[in-house]
Amino acid sequence: SQTIHQWPATLVQPVGSPLSLECTVEGTSNPNLYWYRQAAGRGLQLLFYSVGIGQISSEVPQNLSASRPQDRQFILSSKKLLLSDSGFYLCAAGGLGSTDTQYFGPGTRLTVL
Amino acid sequence: GENVEQHPSTLSVQEGDSAVIKCTYSDSASNYFPWYKQELGKRPQLIIDIRSNVGEKKDQRIAVTLNKTAKHFSLHITETQPEDSAVYFCAASLRSNDYKLSFGAGTTVTVRA
Repeated sequence: SQTIHQWPATLVQPVGSPLSLECTVEGTSNPNLYWYRQAAGRGLQLLFYSVGIGQISSEVPQNLSASRPQDRQFILSSKKLLLSDSGFYLCAAGGLGSTDTQYFGPGTRLTVL
Repeated sequence: GENVEQHPSTLSVQEGDSAVIKCTYSDSASNYFPWYKQELGKRPQLIIDIRSNVGEKKDQRIAVTLNKTAKHFSLHITETQPEDSAVYFCAASLRSNDYKLSFGAGTTVTVRA
């Protein structure tokens, strides 16, 4: 079965600073990868997804971007963080064995001050 | 796109009683319906899922039912225990290459001892 890693686990950044969150997947190949954001006490908002290397689809226009430089690596970035970027960022892997099931990584808790 | 509505938003039950959470979806082409449990500060964990060719699925104290005609599905937890306290999310997926999930807003379940 696959294992999803995310780092860092927690991050405190000042407004206007850059951001880079990383997600890697072990135990599978060619997964679909997803970035979600969850504001405190709220639901899951899909930000980006990728069905292959270099293929990124954006769900919500914002100051974030995503990249997939390798099959099992997914990166979420920002050039300048906003206060509203604070939240719990979750990476998920799915489309494994041509199924819909998605599994989540442990998440990164980002606080922008 | 798919729209998933989830009710109730909060649910308080006495230990040992049953809990029921209901979700409706808008796109009749949706064919995969997972349920996730998220404990405070943790990642969402898949607890059960159902596909459109099945009307009901059970796993110990958890069951899910699907009514394709009415476009709704429900999670049933029997003999609730304090460790069932969490936020539960339903989701729906269209058969497509990207396997995107549309999530409900979540239900906060509290089991009173």
